[in-house]
Formats: sequence, structure tokens, C-alpha cells
Amino acid sequence: ETGVTQTPRHLVMGMTNKKSLKCEQHLGHNAMYWYKQSAKKPLELMFVYSLEERVENNSVPSRFSPECPNSSHLFLHLHTLQPEDSALYLCASSQDGGGTGEYGYTFGSGTRLTVV
Amino acid sequence: DQQVKQNSPSLSVQEGRISILNCDYTNSMFDYFLWYKKYPAEGPTFLISISSIKDKNEDGRFTVFLNKSAKHLSLHIVPSQPGDSAVYFCAASEGNFNKFYFGSGTKLNVKP
Repeated sequence: ETGVTQTPRHLVMGMTNKKSLKCEQHLGHNAMYWYKQSAKKPLELMFVYSLEERVENNSVPSRFSPECPNSSHLFLHLHTLQPEDSALYLCASSQDGGGTGEYGYTFGSGTRLTVV
Repeated sequence: DQQVKQNSPSLSVQEGRISILNCDYTNSMFDYFLWYKKYPAEGPTFLISISSIKDKNEDGRFTVFLNKSAKHLSLHIVPSQPGDSAVYFCAASEGNFNKFYFGSGTKLNVKP
């Protein structure tokens, strides 16, 4: 497999559930990102991992917990979410924290999350 | 506070004509700009980029123009094709390539 793969593609969860989103990149990149896309809003950067260290957390509520066990895998653990957390969650990767600028990120197809 | 804005949520263009998508930004420190294209049920894919040392970059049917004094960039697609129908996002960075700021997207519909 090539590129950035996200699973599951769709997820419906109750507010008391615990679930995890998974992202895997096969590009040899050394930085990975979680973005949130809500309807008619810009993509919001949530977390940045560079060389497996979290380098940015954009004031994301603690009910979202990222994990980066190695440079190829990134998880987003979800716990006691709210209906307003329903959105498309996109994973991305890049080399040298930006794809050397020219190509930006490589995105996965996203996980469509619905919180009921 | 939104630093990158795409004020047109949608645009409809006839096949063969020019599509012009616009993007405005507020941070004068931004020095690298990208356009992404997104089809339904897929992640955004890189389309074209421009650095602040240039005012134009061209790749086939796609040209990006940068007006630094106006803090404005635009993407021109000519001729437009039905397969170009997608949501287009602009993004900007101030040299920290770990952090791109995205606009909210413009949905382009190219009619056959």
C-alpha cells in the first residue's frame, strides 16, 4: 500500500464510548498531523508530531488524545466526545515537517466521525 | 481569527471557460502558499504552490498568482474541465512548514 491510509472511513459513536482513529503512512515521512474539518470551516490543525515527538497541540480538548508510536503510525484516541465533535478527521504526513515546502502534506482520505 | 479566507463558498463555470478561485490572507509573514483539491470521500491532494519570491507559478492548465501587497492569491484553471469539479482549498505558511493555515474551501462546479 502507498500513501496515507486512515481507518475506519466512517465511525458512529455514542458520547460515552471510547474509540480510536488510526493513520498509517508508507511514504517514509518523518512528520504526521491530525486535522479536523467541520462543515464550511477551514481545516483546523489539532496535533503535530515530528520525529515521533509531539511538537504542537492547538488547544485541543483532552477528550482527544493522540499517540505516535513510530514515524509511520498515528492514532487519535477519542473519549466522551460531544455531538459538536462530529466532523471529518484528516491525517497527513510530510518530510522535514513540511514536505520541504513544495508539496505540503500528503493527506489520508479521512474518517467521517458522527457523535450521537 | 481566520488568517486565510476564501470568501466564495462556491463557483460554477462552463466547460472550456476559465475558473478563477480567490484567496485572501491577513498575515504578512506568510511566505509559502499552496492549493489543494478535494473530491468527495477523499483527502485533499496537492495541486500547485507558490513562494513569496514569485508572483506567478504555472503548471499546465493551472496558474497561481500572488499579489503580496494585496495579500491575495488566485488560482486560474483554463480551460476548465468537468473533472475539475471539486472543493479547492488554499493554504499558507510562514516558513514553519509544520503549520499551514487553510481557508474554508471553494466548491467548483464545471458544467459540461
